[in-house]
Formats: sequence, structure tokens, C-alpha cells
Amino acid sequence: EAGVAQSPRYKIIEKRQSVAFWCNPISGHATLYWYQQILGQGPKLLIQFQNNGVVDDSQLPKDRFSAERLKGVDSTLKIQPAKLEDSAVYLCASSFQYQETQYFGPGTRLLVL
Amino acid sequence: EDKVVQSPLSLVVHEGDTVTLNCSYEVTNFRSLLWYKQEKKAPTFLFMLTSSGIEKKSGRLSSILDKKELFSILNITATQTGDSAIYLCAVKYNNNDMRFGAGTRLTVKP
Repeated sequence: EAGVAQSPRYKIIEKRQSVAFWCNPISGHATLYWYQQILGQGPKLLIQFQNNGVVDDSQLPKDRFSAERLKGVDSTLKIQPAKLEDSAVYLCASSFQYQETQYFGPGTRLLVL
Repeated sequence: EDKVVQSPLSLVVHEGDTVTLNCSYEVTNFRSLLWYKQEKKAPTFLFMLTSSGIEKKSGRLSSILDKKELFSILNITATQTGDSAIYLCAVKYNNNDMRFGAGTRLTVKP
């Protein structure tokens, strides 16, 4: 079974630039999550999708972060403009609907200079 | 405020030692507690606990939940260098809320 795919794996940008991350969940998983994991901390949920609808985006900094899952499968997370404090690993996870266990992708490590 | 606290933050042991990692929580409407192992890549699922006092076991790893005292422990016996990783505890609560602890960084020396 193929796992959660993410790209790119690494990204270095300067502050005020824009960046986008892509996630392809496990086939059949209706629920998709984006997390931000800052060095030394646990993952923090940014947004949760159920199919193509947003379930929870209460911790998403909406002035600069946006995410979409238009067809209910792949998802993109965008940061525009980036700040130094956005440097982190961005993890995508997916699960079957109503299932507790989430399966994580390898993450995208973002460095903002 | 809802919180998940893991201890210790880091731990260094030698191969063959037994370790116990702790996760305590304060959340409303607890649903489940999950343990993940995070090496250089993505967190990988270890256990999900929903009921008190029922031990989950997988090889040298085991975990148990105490819903009265609001904590869980993860035990690893006969540790190996391959057990070196960050161990994350996550709690699901309310309808869809999920909060991770900061993790325990375990280093197993040969």
C-alpha cells in the first residue's frame, strides 16, 4: 500500500517569498490533515479536511496561510508571504473517515532565511 | 487550557535497558490517546488507547492508559539502538480536536 506522498522534501526561501507544498493521501482516506512541526515541539494541527470540505482551520494563520483540497484527494498548502518563524517541517497526514489513526507523510522541511 | 505534557523531554540509555516514557493530559471530552515514533521521517503509529487498564503490546513495546489519573506510559524493554527516536503522544478530544505533546527524545547507546 502506497503511503502519504509529499513534495518537495526540502525548500529554502527568503522571507516575504511564497511557497507551496503538495500532499497526496493514501487512496480511500477521506480525511486529510496539515501539521506544522517546529524544531523541538510536537506537530501542531493547521487544517483538517473531510473530503473537500474544511473541518477545522482554527489554528491556521489565515493572513498568510491557505490550503485547498478541491477534488477531495490531493491538497496544497501555501504560505504567502513567508516569515522567519515559518521555518518548520510541514507534515501531511490522512485517515479513513471517523478513524483515529493517522498516517503521516515524510514531511516538507522549510527554511526561511 | 487543553494540554498534553510528555516527560522526560530527553533520555539517554544503553542497549538492554528498559525505559518508561510518560504522557499526561488535560482535555475536555477525551476520546483516545495515541503513541507515535518519529525518526528522521514521518511519525509512525504505535498504539491507540481508549480504555483504562488494558495494556497494548507489540514486541518489546507496551503501553497502558489511566483515565482516572489522566496519563499513559510507554514501556520499551531490552532497548536497541534502533529504538532511538522521538516518541510522540497525541490526544484526541471533543469531536475532532487533536493535540500532540512535545515528544521524548530517546537515545540508545551501544
